[in-house]
Parts: sequence; structure tokens; C-alpha cells
Amino acid sequence: EAQVTQNPRYLITVTGKKLTVTCSQNMNHEYMSWYRQDPGLGLRQIYYSMNVEVTDKGDVPEGYKVSRKEKRNFPLILESPSPNQTSLYFCASRQIALYNEQFFGPGTRLTVL
Amino acid sequence: GQQVMQIPQYQHVQEGEDFTTYCNSSTTLSNIQWYKQRPGGHPVFLIQLVKSGEVKKQKRLTFQFGEAKKNSSLHITATQTTDVGTYFCAGGTSGSARQLTFGSGTQLTVLP
Repeated sequence: EAQVTQNPRYLITVTGKKLTVTCSQNMNHEYMSWYRQDPGLGLRQIYYSMNVEVTDKGDVPEGYKVSRKEKRNFPLILESPSPNQTSLYFCASRQIALYNEQFFGPGTRLTVL
Repeated sequence: GQQVMQIPQYQHVQEGEDFTTYCNSSTTLSNIQWYKQRPGGHPVFLIQLVKSGEVKKQKRLTFQFGEAKKNSSLHITATQTTDVGTYFCAGGTSGSARQLTFGSGTQLTVLP
């Protein structure tokens, strides 16, 4: 089954404790992206990657890091989480061209105390 | 940067009533996509519009792309409880393959 998976689905942590949210897709997509969703703000892009070892900032990259060492994986790293990073996070992937639909993962609900 | 505004933010309708959500972009779009997110779920692709003035239908859903390719709408005829969720538009611009810019979404509640 074609899918995007994320882990963990739920995470409660404390300020400053490094964490990683994993994302994996099995559709051989070149393009992968991370979004955060907050009430009234829609989906805001954090980082994106157009291929292995190619990453770039989206609209709200501060406080986040990513890596793309393999085509299928695109982990999101919070080196020192803060309460304002409490949010719902979605990973997405698509074929490289802009005219392709994006497939979203199930989401990760993160709470930073 | 490119902005995509979506209104209304919330809409409550009685089952059987119609519903419309609107998207407006600050720049001309090359394409626009629509997604639906059920409560507790993730966004799921509904449709894409590419041509100026394009209209597409999916059963009770009608999607339009404006002549100037700066606005779009989604209209649902005779809503059902299964239509509940948040509807997002996402606009792309040619020359910027990196991203789609999402609107803030319209949360639809259908009252039985």
C-alpha cells in the first residue's frame, strides 16, 4: 500500500530535550516536505527536500532541522524544543513536478511543556 | 511572498444546505489543488485545476478556477454529514517547484 508513515504519532516532551520525528514514504517520491498545522493558520511549510541531500527552508524553519540521506526518509529534528513548537506536524511527499498531488502522513501531535 | 487567503474560516450549515469556500491568491497561480481533512485525520487530495476558468465536478462538489488564475472556489450542493471536515486550497506558481502555498482552511460543520 502506497503511504507516508510518521513516528511517533503523539509525543509529550519538555523544553530543551532534543527529539526526532521520523517520516518515511514507499512511493519513490523525490519531493518531501514538513508542515505544521495550527488553528487558524492552516498548513505552514517548515522544510522541504527535492531529492537526496537537497533540502531547503520553507516558511517557518526556525527551530527545526531536517536531513535527507535516503530517498524514502525525511526526519524532522528539534534540537531544543520550546512550547511555541507545540503543534500538529505533517510529513508529505509527491513526485517532483508541482502538478502532482501530495500524499500526507497521519500526523504527529507534539506537546512541549 | 505568495499568500493564499481562504474564507470563511468556519461554516456551520444544516444538512441539505449548500456550502462554498473561497480562495484568493496575491499572485497569479499556475495551478490550484484542493484537499479535505476529516476531523482527526490528515489532508487528502481532492482535485487539481490548471486552466483559466476551469470548472470540474465530483458528484456534489464543484470546483472553479478564476479567469485570472488568482482565485478559486469549492461549492458543495446539498451537504451531508459525511462532508464534515476542513477544506484547504493550495496554490502553486510556475518557476517555484518547491512548494504549494496552503490557505488557512475552512472548517465545515454539518448539523443533522
